[in-house]
Amino acid sequence: DAKTTQPNSMESNEEEPVHLPCNHSTISGTDYIHWYRQLPSQGPEYVIHGLTSNVNNRMASLAIAEDRKSSTLILHRATLRDAAVYYCILRDGMRSQAGTALIFGKGTTLSVSS
Amino acid sequence: DSGVTQTPKHLITATGQRVTLRCSPRSGDLSVYWYQQSLDQGLQFLIQYYNGEERAKGNILERFSAQQFPDLHSELNLSSLELGDSALYFCASSFRLAGGTGELFFGEGSRLTVL
Repeated sequence: DAKTTQPNSMESNEEEPVHLPCNHSTISGTDYIHWYRQLPSQGPEYVIHGLTSNVNNRMASLAIAEDRKSSTLILHRATLRDAAVYYCILRDGMRSQAGTALIFGKGTTLSVSS
Repeated sequence: DSGVTQTPKHLITATGQRVTLRCSPRSGDLSVYWYQQSLDQGLQFLIQYYNGEERAKGNILERFSAQQFPDLHSELNLSSLELGDSALYFCASSFRLAGGTGELFFGEGSRLTVL
C-alpha cells in the first residue's frame, strides 16, 4: 500500500480553521484518500474521503492537489471536541468488493486551545 | 454510536491465560476487521473476515485466532497471553461493497490488561 506522511502534531485555537496536511507522493490512480480521526478513549471514526475532486461534508472539507500527491483536511472552525489524532490513509478502490482494511500510520495529534 | 458492539469493555487476566473478545457488526455489514492498539505500536490491523471467510491477514500472532459466525458476529481468541498483549482491541465493520470507498465503523474497543 502506498504510504502517507503527516506531521506528528499540530496546534490550533478554538473557532479558527485548521489545515491538516498529508503527503502521498506514491499514490496510484485507484487509491482513494481517506481521513479518520480518533478521539481520546474512543475507536476511530470516519471523517471524509475523496479520489480526485475536493469534497465537503458536515464534518470537514478535503482539498486534493491536482497531481494527487498531497491533500489537506480542513476543519473550518475547530472546537475543543476536535482534539484528536487524525489519520490520512490511502485505500485501493479496485482491490476487493469485500472491502479492504485500513492501514493506519501514526497520524497527526491535533490540540485545540480555548 | 457506530452500531458496532464489542464485549467485554474491560478484561483483566493473567499471563498464560486465554480470552475471547466478541464483536457484533452493524446490521447488514458483512465485513469485520480486528485491530490492536498499544501505546508503542499504534493501531495495527490483525485480520479481516467477509461473510464468514477470512479475507486478509495483518500482523496477527499465531497465538491469536478469529472467526466469523453465520450470524456475522465475530470472535477474537487470544491464548497464552503475555504482558505485551495488553492493549485496546477494536472491531470494525463495513458494508459488503465497500472496496476503496466505503467507510469502516469502529466499536468502542475491549481493553485487555494482562498481569
